[in-house]
Amino acid sequence: DVKVTQSSRYLVKRTGEKVFLECVQDMDHENMFWYRQDPGLGLRLIYFSYDVKMKEKGDIPEGYSVSREKKERFSLILESASTNQTSMYLCASRPQGSDGYTFGSGTRLTVV
Amino acid sequence: GENVEQHPSTLSVQEGDSAVIKCTYSDSASNYFPWYKQELGKGPQLIIDIRSNVGEKKDQRIAVTLNKTAKHFSLHITETQPEDSAVYFCAALGSGTTDSWGKLQFGAGTQVVVTP
Repeated sequence: DVKVTQSSRYLVKRTGEKVFLECVQDMDHENMFWYRQDPGLGLRLIYFSYDVKMKEKGDIPEGYSVSREKKERFSLILESASTNQTSMYLCASRPQGSDGYTFGSGTRLTVV
Repeated sequence: GENVEQHPSTLSVQEGDSAVIKCTYSDSASNYFPWYKQELGKGPQLIIDIRSNVGEKKDQRIAVTLNKTAKHFSLHITETQPEDSAVYFCAALGSGTTDSWGKLQFGAGTQVVVTP
């Protein structure tokens, strides 16, 4: 089975800090995604990447950036964390030519 | 881009009864419609999906129907059990040259509670 691993289950950060959320997948998938999940809003796409060093903005990219230096790793960066970025963050991957997404377990980030 | 609406937001059913969740989508170019189940503390897991060239698909106690003309699709769970309690998300995947291509758009989710 494909495994998508998010390095932290829970994070607490202070306002203004630079925050890195890490995601690693072990099945050589080309496409990787970062979503945030908020009650009543479902999952909203922040950024996605279809290849190493390639990135595309999703629906809510403001305040975030991403990095994909290696195929298996996709990092989400909060340049200066704010309280409105308190949320559950979900990483997913998908192989090229397939529709099926595999999600990680999520990172619950609290910004205080 | 694609917009997916999901109803109801919460659904309480007695064990053994059926549950139905409905979603509508806006982009007629969307061609793949998965359903995900998210249990507490876990990421979403795919439970069933349907493509635009199929009207209905069934897997044991769960089924999905798709009406392309009306642009809506539904999840049906029969003989519900307590372990069906979770949040369920519908999603639509854009296709072709639209800006939705390759990106799953999710509904807001339905909290299903199955009471014994």
